[in-house]
Amino acid sequence: AQTVTQSQPEMSVQEAETVTLSCTYDTSESNYYLFWYKQPPSRQMILVIRQEAYKQQNATENRFSVNFQKAAKSFSLKISDSQLGDTAMYFCAFIPNSGNTPLVFGKGTRLSVIA
Amino acid sequence: GAGVSQSPRYKVTKRGQDVALRCDPISGHVSLYWYRQALGQGPEFLTYFNYEAQQDKSGLPNDRFSAERPEGSISTLTIQRTEQRDSAMYRCASSLTQTSGSGELFFGEGSRLTVL
Repeated sequence: AQTVTQSQPEMSVQEAETVTLSCTYDTSESNYYLFWYKQPPSRQMILVIRQEAYKQQNATENRFSVNFQKAAKSFSLKISDSQLGDTAMYFCAFIPNSGNTPLVFGKGTRLSVIA
Repeated sequence: GAGVSQSPRYKVTKRGQDVALRCDPISGHVSLYWYRQALGQGPEFLTYFNYEAQQDKSGLPNDRFSAERPEGSISTLTIQRTEQRDSAMYRCASSLTQTSGSGELFFGEGSRLTVL
C-alpha cells in the first residue's frame, strides 16, 4: 500500500521569505506522479504543482518548486517570496501510473504567512 | 458543466437518518472519486469509478456507506442510518482519464455533513 507522510503539522514564514514543506512517501511502484495541493480557508482544493517520477528535472511553477529525490522517496515543496495569500493547508499526494488506485494524500501542513 | 458540482453544500441531519450526496463531474470526465475530509486532516479515499463501474470501494468505512454512478456521469454517495462520527466534508473529484496521474484531479467544493 502507498503511504504519504507530512511530518510538519504547522509551519510559519515571514512574508517575502522562503519556506520548504516536507513530504515522504512509500511505494513499490516505479512510475508514479506526485502532487502538492493547496487548501485555503475557503476549503477549495487547488493543484499547485505536479511531478512525474520518471522525470529527473524538478518541476517549477512560478514561485513554487519541488525537490524530488526518488531514491530517498522525498518530495518537498519550496515556496519562494511567500505571500499572505499562500496561507493555507498544503497536502502532498501520490498516485501510481497504473491508474487503478486512487490518489493518496498526506495529513497536510498548515502554513501561515506572517506580515 | 464548468466544474465539479456537489449538492447539497451543507446538510444537517439527525442521527439515524439517511443522506444522499450528489456529485456532477465535469462533462466527459471518465473517473470520479469520493473522499472524506475531517477538519484539519487530509482527504481520505472512499471509493472511485471509471465510467459506471465502481473500481475500488475499499475506503468505505462500513456497509452503511454506498455509492453509485449508474450512467457514468452523476454519482450519489449514500449514508444510511447516519451517526455523529459521519460528520465531515465529503468531496468529489473527477479526472479526464483513467490514469489520473497524467491528468489533473478536479475537486468539487464539497458537501459538509453534520449529524446531530
